[in-house]
Amino acid sequence: SQQGEEDPQALSIQEGENATMNCSYKTSINNLQWYRQNSGRGLVHLILIRSNEREKHSGRLRVTLDTSKKSSSLLITASRAADTASYFCATDEYSTLTFGKGTMLLVSP
Amino acid sequence: DTEVTQTPKHLVMGMTNKKSLKCEQHMGHRAMYWYKQKAKKPPELMFVYSYEKLSINESVPSRFSPECPNSSLLNLHLHALQPEDSALYLCASSLTQGGNIQYFGAGTRLSVL
Repeated sequence: SQQGEEDPQALSIQEGENATMNCSYKTSINNLQWYRQNSGRGLVHLILIRSNEREKHSGRLRVTLDTSKKSSSLLITASRAADTASYFCATDEYSTLTFGKGTMLLVSP
Repeated sequence: DTEVTQTPKHLVMGMTNKKSLKCEQHMGHRAMYWYKQKAKKPPELMFVYSYEKLSINESVPSRFSPECPNSSLLNLHLHALQPEDSALYLCASSLTQGGNIQYFGAGTRLSVL
């Protein structure tokens, strides 16, 4: 079953703009992760945030987690054309990861 | 080395063929995964091996047969597939099973004719 639900499903922006993606989930979690997938390739881990953390940064990435609302957001600042990809959140439902439906991000030069 | 290697990159097979997908990692990870991914969809978990034993089988049809010969290798044997099995097959590994970071291979693009 797919626990994480991302929105928007697709996002189109210009280089230099910020991109925000949201993820909601249904059950309690220990951590939430974000992954990126370039077209037809494997997923790459971006960032992990634990349930007792509210915000985490990594380079141009900022992730927030609100366990009371069961939601997370991924902010990519100063986007580049190379950020064009699909982004998935994943939660540690049961004994493995469950991926959300993903957001397709298109960054135009 | 955080690499998971999958072979082949592309595979075309008929419905009566038998083929195998291979996955290898040398990170000392004790959990390995097979996922199936259709276009514009998230990865769907198929199998999980933990310490070389099958831990999860997500009700996958028996025409898919996983094998974990040792802690570094994971195979997926394919037999009598259907056209709807055409997809990107991804292998991943993590330190142990659970909510750990997963490292993915580049995938095998499978087409069943």
